Order: sequence, then C-alpha cells, then structure tokens
Amino acid sequence: LAKTTQPISMDSYEGQEVNITCSHNNIATNDYITWYQQFPSQGPRFIIQGYKTKVTNEVASLFIPADRKSSTLSLPRVSLSDTAVYYCLVLPARGSARQLTFGSGTQLTVLP
Amino acid sequence: GAVVSQHPSRVICKSGTSVKIECRSLDFQATTMFWYRQFPKQSLMLMATSNEGSKATYEQGVEKDKFLINHASLTLSTLTVTSAHPEDSSFYICSAMGLAGGLYNEQFFGPGTRLTVL
Repeated sequence: LAKTTQPISMDSYEGQEVNITCSHNNIATNDYITWYQQFPSQGPRFIIQGYKTKVTNEVASLFIPADRKSSTLSLPRVSLSDTAVYYCLVLPARGSARQLTFGSGTQLTVLP
Repeated sequence: GAVVSQHPSRVICKSGTSVKIECRSLDFQATTMFWYRQFPKQSLMLMATSNEGSKATYEQGVEKDKFLINHASLTLSTLTVTSAHPEDSSFYICSAMGLAGGLYNEQFFGPGTRLTVL
C-alpha cells in the first residue's frame, strides 16, 4: 500500500494561501493522487485529483513534482469555513486489489 | 456528481441490540462499496469491502460475525452491527465506487452514521 505522510496540523489566518504537503515515496507508476476534505461528523469530500505537474479547479490547486514522491495541496485565500481535516490519498488504478488507505490527515485551523 | 446516502444518520441503542445501517448510491451503480469506522480525532479505518452479489472481504481484526455486510444490489449495501456494545460506538462511513467513470478508483463517500451504544 502506498503510505502517505502529512503534517498533523496547520494553522492559518483568513485570506492567506495555505499549502499542505504530502509525501508518498512508494507511489506506483499507475497511481493517482487525490485529496479529500472532512468536516466533523461528515463523510470525506473530494477536493482534487492529479497524476503529475499541476491541476487546478475552482477550489484548489495540486502541485506534483516530476518524481511524484510528494504533492502539495494549495488553498487560495482560506476562510473560516475551510477549517477541516485534509487527507492525501494515493489511488490505485481501477482493477488493482489495493485499497484506499487513509493516513492521519492534516487538521487545518483557519483563524480570524 | 455522484451521491451516496446513509441511513440513519444517527442512532442510539441499548447494549446487546443489533443495528442496521444502509448505504445507497443514488445516481450511479456501485459495483463495490466500502465500510469505514472512525473514532473521535482519528482517521478513517477500512473495515470491509463489499462487492455486489458476493461475500464481503473484511480487514484484519474486524469480526465478520459481528459486522454483517450485505450488498444485494448495485445501489444498496447494509452493515449490521450485531449485539452492539459501548465499544462499538463510532462514526461509520460508507463509500461507493461506480461502474462508469474514471480510470482510477474514485470513491464517493456517504455522510456517515453516528452510532452510540448505551
């Protein structure tokens, strides 16, 4: 299983850009990198997914270097409502017997 | 986007009773559903993988006779916690993986069920 390592927690202030880095040293060639957000007492919510270089959507950007051994989730101009746990996961290709493994996640706290 | 529902959202029961939790994929067919358990301040822990029409595969340390999983259709999987005890109190989350869609194993998560055993 591709193990991921993230900081346990991060604090930020409203309006700032937040970058959360995840390491996944044993990522396989066909694996995809996905980030989820989870609020208390809710199921995880998909944020963004990528394979290499940079991916951007309406809520975040994902930066993946050439070696793909790490990735960085970038949240622009965070607000109080972005306070949540963020999980980095490595998804195996469809048909693989490997499962999703949730790491500890990063508790992001946005302060006023 | 793909929607997964869970019912009930919250349940309180007495020790020794059984509780059934339903997980439904509302707008897509789910060949595979997963059941997770999450204790306070902890990450999600995979309990079992359920494929439609076949027996569930349980993770090491999860008692299959205690946590009964049935995936009778492509849109419904159920988790029954039998003879629940206070240590079974937790947040149970299901996810579903669809037939169509992306190349990779995207999972769509339900809102979770909070089980409290008195």
